[in-house]
Amino acid sequence: KAGVTQTPRYLIKTRGQQVTLSCSPISGHRSVSWYQQTPGQGLQFLFEYFSETQRNKGNFPGRFSGRQFSNSRSEMNVSTLELGDSALYLCASALWRGGTDTQYFGPGTRLTVL
Amino acid sequence: DAKTTQPNSMESNEEEPVHLPCNHSTISGTDYIHWYRQLPSQGPEYVIHGLTSNVNNRMASLAIAEDRKSSTLILHRATLRDAAVYYCILINQGGKLIFGQGTELSVKP
Repeated sequence: KAGVTQTPRYLIKTRGQQVTLSCSPISGHRSVSWYQQTPGQGLQFLFEYFSETQRNKGNFPGRFSGRQFSNSRSEMNVSTLELGDSALYLCASALWRGGTDTQYFGPGTRLTVL
Repeated sequence: DAKTTQPNSMESNEEEPVHLPCNHSTISGTDYIHWYRQLPSQGPEYVIHGLTSNVNNRMASLAIAEDRKSSTLILHRATLRDAAVYYCILINQGGKLIFGQGTELSVKP
């Protein structure tokens, strides 16, 4: 099976712009989660979608939003970009196994805000 | 969310066993113990998980204390490719991993 894919892999934007990142989960996985990774804050949970509905949400401002489509593909949008939004954005799709979710991560999208 | 405590860093020699500890004294009865690792320049990778009993898979073993307040990830023979940051995470609902700082494992040849 193909792994989780994320596009684009690298992105450069300027302050005030908006950006949309895309994630294609592993075939058959219905849950998609997003994470932000920065050197200062580490890995932080953004949100999770399951069957097109947001199921969990982290502590990020409303500028960060997402959605999931009927084919389980997901997009994440960040509006009014700030310098601090520069980070590696990781997507993970989940498989229910052994009584709990196991997450499979993509390679990430490296966003640089200038 | 229950928290975990791990040493910031550990060193190992190649081909020797490595025991990575994790304390989770506030674990609840429904929390699963998960371990992920992140190799340099890659996304995190699932390693193993368990609830109460010790678990083995092709990558590692997970030893869980009887009171479940601590666990240990065991790599039976460390290789240079095992150098990574290892995260111990408690999960009681799907889709939400709360990562701590993890343990940075270095492996010496």
